[in-house]
Amino acid sequence: DTGVSQDPRHKITKRGQNVTFRCDPISEHNRLYWYRQTLGQGPEFLTYFQNEAQLEKSRLLSDRFSAERPKGSFSTLEIQRTEQGDSAMYLCASSSKPGSFSKNIQYFGAGTRLSVL
Amino acid sequence: QQQVKQSPQSLIVQKGGISIINCAYENTAFDYFPWYQQFPGKGPALLIAIRPDVSEKKEGRFTISFNKSAKQFSLHIMDSQPGDSATYFCAAKAAGNKLTFGGGTRVLVKP
Repeated sequence: DTGVSQDPRHKITKRGQNVTFRCDPISEHNRLYWYRQTLGQGPEFLTYFQNEAQLEKSRLLSDRFSAERPKGSFSTLEIQRTEQGDSAMYLCASSSKPGSFSKNIQYFGAGTRLSVL
Repeated sequence: QQQVKQSPQSLIVQKGGISIINCAYENTAFDYFPWYQQFPGKGPALLIAIRPDVSEKKEGRFTISFNKSAKQFSLHIMDSQPGDSATYFCAAKAAGNKLTFGGGTRVLVKP
């Protein structure tokens, strides 16, 4: 696998339910990012990990959102008590380690589209 | 607060024409400026990127022009093709690696 993989591709849920998304980054990429993209807008940064450490979180990431990367490989993003305003595309990206030539390049997955009814 | 402003929101160009998309930023700490291309149902894919110490970068039909004093940069797509029809996003990165994206430009290339 040479790309960032996200699962599921689509998720439909009812308001109030919890959902969890998974991201598998490019092998050996130690940085992993989550973004949210609403229709007709650019992606907005949510959070990022270097290995298993969560280094930055956006103000957009409310208490209902939690992200983990327990072993420094795949990551999960959980949304508790979903609201209709959470409907969006959730994108994951990864990049290689600091100091490498391509350290700035973030490679994106195809995203998980969440619809909250 | 939108830190990267992108224009136009959409544009239509004839095959073979030039597409020009402009972005302006506010944060002088930004040190890396990529452009991403996104097709429907797909994630953004890096197209070309530039650092602020360079005024122009060209890769094939795609050119970035960068004006540090004006805090503006632009993407030029030369000889536009129908396959270039997509949404284009400019972005900027400061320390910490998070990208701040513009609002996007939907480009339609008519055959």
